[in-house]
Amino acid sequence: KQEVTQIPAALSVPEGENLVLNCSFTDSAIYNLQWFRQDPGKGLTSLLLIQSSQREQTSGRLNASLDKSSGRSTLYIAASQPGDSATYLCAVPKAAGNKLTFGGGTRVLVKP
Amino acid sequence: GAGVSQSPRYKVAKRGQDVALRCDPISGHVSLFWYQQALGQGPEFLTYFQNEAQLDKSGLPSDRFFAERPEGSVSTLKIQRTQQEDSAVYLCASSLGSAQETQYFGPGTRLLVL
Repeated sequence: KQEVTQIPAALSVPEGENLVLNCSFTDSAIYNLQWFRQDPGKGLTSLLLIQSSQREQTSGRLNASLDKSSGRSTLYIAASQPGDSATYLCAVPKAAGNKLTFGGGTRVLVKP
Repeated sequence: GAGVSQSPRYKVAKRGQDVALRCDPISGHVSLFWYQQALGQGPEFLTYFQNEAQLDKSGLPSDRFFAERPEGSVSTLKIQRTQQEDSAVYLCASSLGSAQETQYFGPGTRLLVL
């Protein structure tokens, strides 16, 4: 059974610092890995999707890497801003279908 | 264009009541998913539809939970005889259908069972 873990559970940084969020998964047979953002009381917004054949994906200040063999992904957010404060979740589709298994999330606070 | 919408946004139910939660996916999206998110945790899969066919309901926690998508678009998640442990946010997501595709999430329905 796939298990996804995110460490740390919470992170607080001053504005301008780079953020590093970690995601690990136990079963390397994944189709892709997705990073989402969730604001309080809101649904999930997709940030990046990395195909299983890719090593990284970039969008603006966001960069996500994927190492399937070690079961890890890292989301980097450069030059953090207070508007980046949210919970960040990683998720992988089950190999036999595309329902997502989520990590518990990392709650990020960027202080001005 | 419109995203995934869900209604109601908030629902308070007395223990033992039945509730129905609605999801309107993005038009043309074949796949529809329901997830349950407890406070402070990541979402957990409940059930999956491809068009009107419910292909996976392995995540439904008990036979009190029932989902349908009769015409392959709008879906309803029904919870019978609600219990306090059913209190959570219920998220609906849709995708074009391929395993490679991003899932687009609605804002969720926050259910509180008293």
